[in-house]
Amino acid sequence: QSLLTQPPSVSGAPGRRVTISCTGSSSNIGAGYDVHWYQQLPGTAPTLLIYNNNNRPSGVPDRFSGSKSGSSASLAITGLQAEDEAVYYCQTYDDRLSGSRVFGGGTKVTVL
Amino acid sequence: QVQLVQSGAEVKKPGASVKVSCRASGYTFTTYNINWVRQAAGQGLEWMGWMNPKSGNTGYAQRFQGRVTITRDSSTSTAYMELNNLRPDDTAVYYCARGKSWLQPFDRWGQGTLVTVPS
Repeated sequence: QSLLTQPPSVSGAPGRRVTISCTGSSSNIGAGYDVHWYQQLPGTAPTLLIYNNNNRPSGVPDRFSGSKSGSSASLAITGLQAEDEAVYYCQTYDDRLSGSRVFGGGTKVTVL
Repeated sequence: QVQLVQSGAEVKKPGASVKVSCRASGYTFTTYNINWVRQAAGQGLEWMGWMNPKSGNTGYAQRFQGRVTITRDSSTSTAYMELNNLRPDDTAVYYCARGKSWLQPFDRWGQGTLVTVPS
């Protein structure tokens, strides 16, 4: 059971907007630690999508955005495209587990 | 360009050990931590531990304490992850990933190494 809770799946038609939630607790997101998001396309290694809550690495389209509030964070994808079909993971640091980095369980985004 | 290149797939018997390598190139090896993350088939990502290549300091997830060791060879810019006493549920793809510091994201990942432990 992950310390960060994500919905197992979300879906949307091309061009629509979808959001993925990442709910933590007072020992991780609620403690003020930044949240990072990764995209994992089928059969490939994860890649960094959003870092420090709302920053995009070079090359990531501005259709992807992140936010954080309290003990939760969210990833939004606007103008959904077929190539966005992937699994998305949130990640942060947790105080309780002696220096542990923790991941959410992952959310599969399906483009209808 | 920055690359993390991992060693090839392994098949190991239960109770054996496996050592996976991760060779870094395109940046100064000692300026980024190396983390290890694994992923069982159809499952999510699980962080295992980290190492500071400059100091050699390491930290491990509680569930792997005593069973995993992360080391490095700075002369070849290579990090290693050794997992002992393998069990069938250790069957997974193992990734190395670099991060600037303990709070920073994993901004580059290796291609992954499949370790299979048949039951």
